[in-house]
Parts: sequence; structure tokens; C-alpha cells
Amino acid sequence: AQSVTQPDIHITVSEGASLELRCNYSYGATPYLFWYVQSPGQGLQLLLKYFSGDTLVQGIKGFEAEFKRSQSSFNLRKPSVHWSDAAEYFCAVGAQKAAGNKLTFGGGTRVLVKP
Amino acid sequence: DAMVIQNPRYQVTQFGKPVTLSCSQTLNHNVMYWYQQKSSQAPKLLFHYYDKDFNNEADTPDNFQSRRPNTSFCFLDIRSPGLGDAAMYLCATSRTGGYNEQFFGPGTRLTVL
Repeated sequence: AQSVTQPDIHITVSEGASLELRCNYSYGATPYLFWYVQSPGQGLQLLLKYFSGDTLVQGIKGFEAEFKRSQSSFNLRKPSVHWSDAAEYFCAVGAQKAAGNKLTFGGGTRVLVKP
Repeated sequence: DAMVIQNPRYQVTQFGKPVTLSCSQTLNHNVMYWYQQKSSQAPKLLFHYYDKDFNNEADTPDNFQSRRPNTSFCFLDIRSPGLGDAAMYLCATSRTGGYNEQFFGPGTRLTVL
């Protein structure tokens, strides 16, 4: 069975500083990996995804993530954080299920941005 | 803009009183999902539809039902809400295929009194 671990429950970062969110997954085959962001009281928005090809993936809002098969990791990074990046971030692994895509989410990392 | 719409955004119901949450989409995706998200937790898949084929998760309580009358609409019915069912309910859609991302609606926050 697939699983996702996000080791950091909360991260506080200063505006303009860099940000890295950790994600480790467990999955038997080549994983489909996603990062979503959720602002308070809102749905989830896709930041980026990986399923093959270049292991460094560029996403929206200046985010990128690197897939490392040897470490079973898919960490999310942003070089310079803006106050609007304060939100909850979810890493997810997807698996084909009855023609849909079952996402298994990590527990999430809440990012606080200090002025 | 193509999107996923959920109504209402906030729903208050009484313990044991049936409630229906609505989801519609303009993306023309053939897969629709319902998730439950409790406070400070990750979303948990309840079930999904591939076209009209219903796929229930093994641990979804019988109290939760769903209907999909056409491609655009999907409903979540909670037959007898308990206090533990208070949560955010998220609807999502996708194209067929495990590598396709899911597009989420803004959610309906359910309060059970």
C-alpha cells in the first residue's frame, strides 16, 4: 500500500527566505507525485506534479520539486517566500484505481511566514 | 473559467437530520471524487465515480452515499449525520488515468449541532 510522510507539521520562515518542505513516499512502482497547496477554508490547488522524465519539476507560484528515487523523496522548494505563501501544503502519491486516480496524502505541513 | 463548484459553502444540520452536498463541474471530466477533511488533517477519499461506475472506499461508513445523475453533477448524501461527521467535504474531478491531477472545489464546511 502506498503512503506519504511529511515530517514537518509546522514550518515558520521569514519573508524572502528560502523554503523547503520534505516529502517521503512509499510505493511499489513508479509513483505519480503531486504537491497541493490549501489556503484556509479553501480547496486544494495543484502546485506541480511528477510522473516521468526530468526529475526537477517546475510548478506555479515559483515552486519546484525534485524527485529522488534513491531516497523516495519529492521535496518542494521555493527560493524566496512571499507572505501569500502562508498555507498548508500537501504531498500526495497517486495510484491508478478503477480508471480514477486514488491520491494518498501526507499529513500536511503548515507554513507560517514572518514579515 | 472551467471549474469545480460546490454548494453550499457552509452547511449546518442537526444530529441525525439528512443532508445533501452538491458538486458541479464545467471541466467535462469523467471522474469525480468526494473527500472528507477533518480539522488539521489530510483529505480522506470517501468514494469516486468513473462515469456512472461507483467506487466506494472500504472504510467509508454506510452513512455516506453518493449520486451522479450526469457528467456535470455529483451529490454527497449523509443519511444520519453524527457529531463526528463535522468536517470539510471536498469534491474533485479528473480525467481518466493515474497520472492526471485532480481539480478541487472550494469545499463545503459541514457543522452538526
